[in-house]
Amino acid sequence: AQSVTQLGSHVSVSEGALVLLRCNYSSSVPPYLFWYVQYPNQGLQLLLKYTSAATLVKGINGFEAEFKKSETSFHLTKPSAHMSDAAEYFCAVSGGGADGLTFGKGTHLIIQP
Amino acid sequence: NAGVTQTPKFQVLKTGQSMTLQCAQDMNHEYMSWYRQDPGMGLRLIHYSVGAGITDQGEVPNGYNVSRSTTEDFPLRLLSAAPSQTSVYFCASSYSQGVNEQYFGPGTRLTVT
Repeated sequence: AQSVTQLGSHVSVSEGALVLLRCNYSSSVPPYLFWYVQYPNQGLQLLLKYTSAATLVKGINGFEAEFKKSETSFHLTKPSAHMSDAAEYFCAVSGGGADGLTFGKGTHLIIQP
Repeated sequence: NAGVTQTPKFQVLKTGQSMTLQCAQDMNHEYMSWYRQDPGMGLRLIHYSVGAGITDQGEVPNGYNVSRSTTEDFPLRLLSAAPSQTSVYFCASSYSQGVNEQYFGPGTRLTVT
């Protein structure tokens, strides 16, 4: 069984500041980890994924995440926030089986001008 | 490619009514799944399918039925709608289970009164 904890249901940063969205996971098998973004009234779009290759994963729109097995974490970062980054972000884990993705509860990212 | 399409986009039902949410994909993906999204809950897996003729239950299957007669289509049936089924429903597909990215449809917003 897997689980995901996203710390902070809302995160507010200033435009141009560092974005850090936290994700911790629990998995009984080596995990596959994903970050998805959801813009208002839209479906989910993949930002990046970790599949046991490089531990630092680069995604779209300047986002990246680092897999840290010792900390069971997969935090999402972006060096400089842009107004267009305002959205809901979901961390998800898969054990590789057929039972789909287990999602965190999401973090709403607010960008202050 | 249209990707993953869902119909309808919005639906209002009365308690006890039944309906089918449609989902189709044109990417020849074997794996398809249905999630529901509720505020503060993230996305939860309802049912999934690893190929035509094969379906299984996810985390929250009660009150829902699915079938998969073709690779392209994966409808979700609400047998007797209840207010607790008010939610946003997302269909997703991927080449296979586990490591592969899941592509999400735009969602169906369902209200049960």
